[in-house]
Amino acid sequence: EPEVTQTPSHQVTQMGQEVILRCVPISNHLYFYWYRQILGQKVEFLVSFYNNEISEKSEIFDDQFSVERPDGSNFTLKIRSTKLEDSAMYFCASSKGQRRGETQYFGPGTRLLVL
Amino acid sequence: GQQLNQSPQSMFIQEGEDVSMNCTSSSIFNTWLWYKQEPGEGPVLLIALYKAGELTSNGRLTAQFGITRKDSFLNISASIPSDVGIYFCAGDNAGNMLTFGGGTRLMVKP
Repeated sequence: EPEVTQTPSHQVTQMGQEVILRCVPISNHLYFYWYRQILGQKVEFLVSFYNNEISEKSEIFDDQFSVERPDGSNFTLKIRSTKLEDSAMYFCASSKGQRRGETQYFGPGTRLLVL
Repeated sequence: GQQLNQSPQSMFIQEGEDVSMNCTSSSIFNTWLWYKQEPGEGPVLLIALYKAGELTSNGRLTAQFGITRKDSFLNISASIPSDVGIYFCAGDNAGNMLTFGGGTRLMVKP
């Protein structure tokens, strides 16, 4: 069964450094998403992406964040200058469309720790 | 923004017992979803509900979409140890952005 994959599974970085989290969505999906989950808290929406542009973003997704689809398979989340509070699990998700029945499927996540 | 209140926050039950958890919202959602998350994993979709009043089953799991479109419940019958995990409800309106509840942590004692 096709699945969303994410790399790396874990990343440790120093405050102020740039990180790039990578995702390979399900191959016939057209909509891509990033969510984050701070330890012990609920999953929060960051951004959605379709047709090579951001379609919606939350208040969390400020100027430090950017997303890109650099080729036909990868979808990346970049955090330009990491802060301690960026430590969280970051989940990528994808969906075929946005109509009923076209639900989002999540990857296993990248655990980011900012020191 | 929209908020989903999920209860209970945690449950510790005996294997074989039935479980019930629910989610309420102050605003309407057009779709309700239930996900399960195990340690170190991403949320896995269990049940999707698309119509007010809809009752849907997936094996031992049953979920209902409330008539007001502001609530949903999930029942698990005859729990087993592998049911352990965190169960999240999520609401969806535009198909673009999921709003998640705080989760119910389920622990099952063999």
